[in-house]
Amino acid sequence: DVKVTQSSRYLVKRTGEKVFLECVQDMDHENMFWYRQDPGLGLRLIYFSYDVKMKEKGDIPEGYSVSREKKERFSLILESASTNQTSMYLCASSSPRDREGDEQYFGPGTRLTVT
Amino acid sequence: GESVGLHLPTLSVQEGDNSIINCAYSNSASDYFIWYKQESGKGPQFIIDIRSNMDKRQGQRVTVLLNKTVKHLSLQIAATQPGDSAVYFCAENKRNQGGKLIFGQGTELSVKP
Repeated sequence: DVKVTQSSRYLVKRTGEKVFLECVQDMDHENMFWYRQDPGLGLRLIYFSYDVKMKEKGDIPEGYSVSREKKERFSLILESASTNQTSMYLCASSSPRDREGDEQYFGPGTRLTVT
Repeated sequence: GESVGLHLPTLSVQEGDNSIINCAYSNSASDYFIWYKQESGKGPQFIIDIRSNMDKRQGQRVTVLLNKTVKHLSLQIAATQPGDSAVYFCAENKRNQGGKLIFGQGTELSVKP
């Protein structure tokens, strides 16, 4: 089974702190994604990556950056956390080599609170 | 702009009844759709998918129907069980953009015993 893990289930940070959210997948997937999930807004794409060292902005990249130094790991960085970044963060991965090619496998999520 | 949305935010059904969860999409060029289930405290899990060259696809106790004329998608769950209680999302898959997904806001399904 595909496994996508996220470094923390719950995280509390202070305004202005630099925050790292880590995601690791064990299926050699090329594509990795970071979403945030908020009530009434659904899942919104922050950043995604097609391969190592590559990154693309999603729909709401402002205030975030990402790093993909290894194929299995995709990090989301909040350079200076703000209260409006309090949210559930979901990581996902997929591979164009898999059957339909586009199914995304999700991690359990990290609930981040910025105070 | 394009969007994927769901008709109802909540749905309550009796255990054993059939459930129907609806989704509307606005991009007529979309060619691939996915339904996800998200249980409390977990990430979304794939349920079933369908391509635009199909009208219907069946899985185990689930059926997805696609009506391209009115750009409508539905998920039917037969003999709904308490374990089906979750939030259900439809998503449009932008295949020509590297597998990006656009999600609807979700419908919360509650199953009454």
